[in-house]
Amino acid sequence: EVQLVESGGGLVQPGGSLRLSCAASGFTLSSYDMNWVRQAPGKGLEWVSFISMTSVTTHYADSVEGRFTVSRDNAKSSLYLQMNSLRDDDTAVYYCARRPSGRGSDYWGQGTLVTVSS
Amino acid sequence: DIQMTQSPSTLSASVGDRVTITCRASQSIGSWLAWYQQKPGKAPKLLISEASSLESGVPSRFSGSGSETEFTLTIRSLQPDDFATYYCQQYNSYHTFGQGTTLDI
Repeated sequence: EVQLVESGGGLVQPGGSLRLSCAASGFTLSSYDMNWVRQAPGKGLEWVSFISMTSVTTHYADSVEGRFTVSRDNAKSSLYLQMNSLRDDDTAVYYCARRPSGRGSDYWGQGTLVTVSS
Repeated sequence: DIQMTQSPSTLSASVGDRVTITCRASQSIGSWLAWYQQKPGKAPKLLISEASSLESGVPSRFSGSGSETEFTLTIRSLQPDDFATYYCQQYNSYHTFGQGTTLDI
């Protein structure tokens, strides 16, 4: 069974840092591109970041470019999102999602809540 | 950046109705469009990829069409389980979601 489990969320002050993790199981992580997507309370979905199977290609939304860094360790079946210089508007549930080639994101984690507040 | 505009933002319908949601891209994205369903407190569920390809396990009352800049999601014979929020997403250049359409009774 395919599973994605995010962790690392919590309360952080503005300007702080947080590292999210996504543990993958039930499939071979190295065979898939991956996305991070977030959803602010009561708001719509916002794509955050993309990383290709071998980490050669990474993309970021303009809103997080230069502050967030996506990485992966295929040997550990794990995906990461390093978030620095956090702002109030980064408050959201963060999801990791599997992105098969040529398709939308077919499996999603349950999400982890990041709250940026003083 | 490619912008995605969904309409309507909210849609009221009844069980058994046929409804259509539209998604417009600010530039051509070919057929690189997905549709998702999301219920409160849950992760999104992928319904359709490549504009019209139904994902495994998704009921056939869901269908997608369109290409380039105009896309539609149609749900025929609405069921109680279909009342949710729907998002389009382009994945031609990076990824962008539409703002969502809430389908309520």
